[in-house]
Amino acid sequence: EDQVTQSPEALRLQEGESSSLNCSYTVSGLRGLFWYRQDPGKGPEFLFTLYSAGEEKEKERLKATLTKKESFLHITAPKPEDSATYLCAVRINYGQNFVFGPGTRLSVLP
Amino acid sequence: DTGVSQNPRHKITKRGQNVTFRCDPISEHNRLYWYRQTLGQGPEFLTYFQNEAQLEKSRLLSDRFSAERPKGSFSTLEIQRTEQGDSAMYLCASSLVSDSNSPLHFGNGTRLTVT
Repeated sequence: EDQVTQSPEALRLQEGESSSLNCSYTVSGLRGLFWYRQDPGKGPEFLFTLYSAGEEKEKERLKATLTKKESFLHITAPKPEDSATYLCAVRINYGQNFVFGPGTRLSVLP
Repeated sequence: DTGVSQNPRHKITKRGQNVTFRCDPISEHNRLYWYRQTLGQGPEFLTYFQNEAQLEKSRLLSDRFSAERPKGSFSTLEIQRTEQGDSAMYLCASSLVSDSNSPLHFGNGTRLTVT
């Protein structure tokens, strides 16, 4: 069965304290891994797409990387406004739907 | 690009009542998806359309749920005989089929509370 897991479930950082979030997947044919940010009461907001192992994407303080079995979202020198839930999703071969992980709730304290 | 629009934002209903939600996708997007999200979980796939055709439905989708996209533009999701377990955020997303790399673009959801 296609499965996406994320760790940790929740993460509290001090402002400026860099860290990484993990997304692990077991799917039958990956057609893309997507990272989203979700603020409370809002829909997920697209951040990155990764397609092949070794690929990296960056946006401001965020950098996403991909291996054959997992992806990392690195947050460098985070600010309080980076506090949100970060979701990863995989797009798989046999269907057009996207399978989401449960998310990591990030809190950045000033 | 005005984004994906969902109405209403909130709906409170009594158990056993029917409810209907509306989604207006980004205008040039021909794929439209419905997801459900409960607290502390990621979005769970319900169904998706390409233009007006419903191409895939989750095996977990109850017969009480039905979705339509009559003219390939907006979509409605109806839940009949609501149950307390239906309480969740219902998210709509759209994407462009001509771009196989297109991510999903989400609306801000309809939060359903069944009392």
